Amino acid sequence: GQNIDQPTEMTATEGAIVQINCTYQTSGFNGLFWYQQHAGEAPTFLSYNVLDGLEEKGRFSSFLSRSKGYSYLLLKELQMKDSASYLCAVRLTANDYKLSFGAGTTVTVRA
Amino acid sequence: DSGVTQTPKHLITATGQRVTLRCSPRSGDLSVYWYQQSLDQGLQFLIQYYNGEERAKGNILERFSAQQFPDLHSELNLSSLELGDSALYFCASSDGGGRGETQYFGPGTRLLVL
Repeated sequence: GQNIDQPTEMTATEGAIVQINCTYQTSGFNGLFWYQQHAGEAPTFLSYNVLDGLEEKGRFSSFLSRSKGYSYLLLKELQMKDSASYLCAVRLTANDYKLSFGAGTTVTVRA
Repeated sequence: DSGVTQTPKHLITATGQRVTLRCSPRSGDLSVYWYQQSLDQGLQFLIQYYNGEERAKGNILERFSAQQFPDLHSELNLSSLELGDSALYFCASSDGGGRGETQYFGPGTRLLVL
């Protein structure tokens, strides 16, 4: 099976920074995605990494190290609306594009 | 709004019954994916279609089947329903050529089996 591990929960204060780690041991690797999911809603795409390094997109950044099987999502200047579940997903092959998801990290932002 | 539509939004049915969930992908997207999300299992990939053909299969039960029609909409059929099939079912689509093949998710169908 595929192992994609994330912390279950994290809590942070409005305006702060939170880093969500994701480690993976999978049968293949063809890219890593981060999605945000508010309770009962659809996952929405945040970022994609296929090469090592940092991808920055506004308040959100994502990092990948393929040799370590490791990624993180960095959320800066936290806002109350960032309270959600953050899902790390690995695309296993270049042929079929299916994603294998981690269980998700629930981030709670407090005032 | 991702541009992916799913119907119905909610479905309540009884054990042993059969239901059909419908998905329309974003305009121009050729790939459709089905996922199941339950409280204890997270998001699980079920099946993928690309331009009408099955492309990949996950841990989809034999009681479940899917197809993609010539107009690219897809249907997921769930039969002989059990209590454990209660979950959120998401459809996602991708364009087959975009950066990273990003999947865009529909709003989901919440299925409750009583």
